[in-house]
Amino acid sequence: DGGITQSPKYLFRKEGQNVTLSCEQNLNHDAMYWYRQDPGQGLRLIYYSQIVNDFQKGDIAEGYSVSREKKESFPLTVTSAQKNPTAFYLCASSISAGGKGQETQYFGPGTRLLVL
Amino acid sequence: DAKTTQPNSMESNEEEPVHLPCNHSTISGTDYIHWYRQLPSQGPEYVIHGLTSNVNNRMASLAIAEDRKSSTLILHRATLRDAAVYYCILRAHRTALIFGKGTTLSVSS
Repeated sequence: DGGITQSPKYLFRKEGQNVTLSCEQNLNHDAMYWYRQDPGQGLRLIYYSQIVNDFQKGDIAEGYSVSREKKESFPLTVTSAQKNPTAFYLCASSISAGGKGQETQYFGPGTRLLVL
Repeated sequence: DAKTTQPNSMESNEEEPVHLPCNHSTISGTDYIHWYRQLPSQGPEYVIHGLTSNVNNRMASLAIAEDRKSSTLILHRATLRDAAVYYCILRAHRTALIFGKGTTLSVSS
């Protein structure tokens, strides 16, 4: 089955610790995205990547880092600089990042990050 | 980016049609109207999108006003599994989706 997988489902972070969230897709999509969702709120864009070895900051990139070494993978690291990391993190992909705006985004099941 | 306005919540009974409204008075001519929904503790799921004409698919219908300043997502027969947050999103050339708070749909049996 084609789709997006995220792991782990739940992740616990200690103060001052960096943690990495995994996102893998087998849809052969060029574009991948990371969003953050706080309780009762919509999603906010952290980073996105239009192609391998390239990525752009979204609206709330501070305290996060990403890499895109392979087309299938777009891991997100939550660094110790992110002071309020507790949230639901969602990864998404689309065929391309350009076009006229009709592209559909496909979302993974999410990772819930909690601070100990 | 153009903004959308949706009611915070709506209620429906099972087997009845549901009309979810969305206002987007500042929509530009190139903005596509997208609808996604999010079930509890899951990632959003694409529902439907359109530009000018009404659209139908297996999940829902999208009715777009002639002036494109509003649209309505229509679920023809609501089921308990349709209870979710529904997001109306405008998208032009920007690469990512901009989510508001959406409409929380409750479905009663």
